[in-house]
Amino acid sequence: QVQLVESGGGVVQPGGSLRLSCAASGFTFSNYGMHWVRQAPGKGLEWVAFIQYDGSNKYYVDSVRGRFTISRDNSKNTVYLQMNSLRAEDTAVYYCAKDPRTNGPEALGYFDYWGQGTLVTVSS
Amino acid sequence: ERVMTQSPATLSVSPGERATLSCRASQSVSSNLAWYQQKPGQAPRLLIYGASTRATGIPARFSGSGSGTEFTLTISSLQSEDFAVYYCQQYNNWPRFTFGPGTKVDIK
Repeated sequence: QVQLVESGGGVVQPGGSLRLSCAASGFTFSNYGMHWVRQAPGKGLEWVAFIQYDGSNKYYVDSVRGRFTISRDNSKNTVYLQMNSLRAEDTAVYYCAKDPRTNGPEALGYFDYWGQGTLVTVSS
Repeated sequence: ERVMTQSPATLSVSPGERATLSCRASQSVSSNLAWYQQKPGQAPRLLIYGASTRATGIPARFSGSGSGTEFTLTISSLQSEDFAVYYCQQYNNWPRFTFGPGTKVDIK
């Protein structure tokens, strides 16, 4: 069965950095695009970033572009989110999520499997 | 950007009753609309994609309808495990995928 397991969350000061990881299993990871979606405490869901199945294309929500970088290592079945210049408003649970499109450019854009999430808290 | 709204914010329903949740897009999203269920402390779960196609393993009591700007999620007979928050999400405006604010379904 599909499993996505995030790690790397924690408490960081404003302006600091953090790298999240998401280990995937139960499907052919290298065939699928992957997303990060976040949820601030008590709030709704916000799409953050997408990386194509082969890593050749990446897209970001405007509020994180230039600060966050999504990447993947298909040999390790892992997707990453490098977060720099963190702000208080980045505080959230970060979920990795799988896109249903196989081996295609871009993404279908919905999320058929989700990890359990990892909490990032930006506070001094 | 496609702004998604959902109504009502909270829906109080008795077990066994029908629940009807609405989602509206600020501009047409065609049928590129998904619904998710989220229980406290859990990740969201995909229920519906393509506005009306149930995801793998989703019970038939969940159904979706609509296209363009108006969408509905119907739960035909609420079970105890269905009390949760439900989000709609558009994926037509690529890659600016956006969610609605959610509808909480609680026990009447």
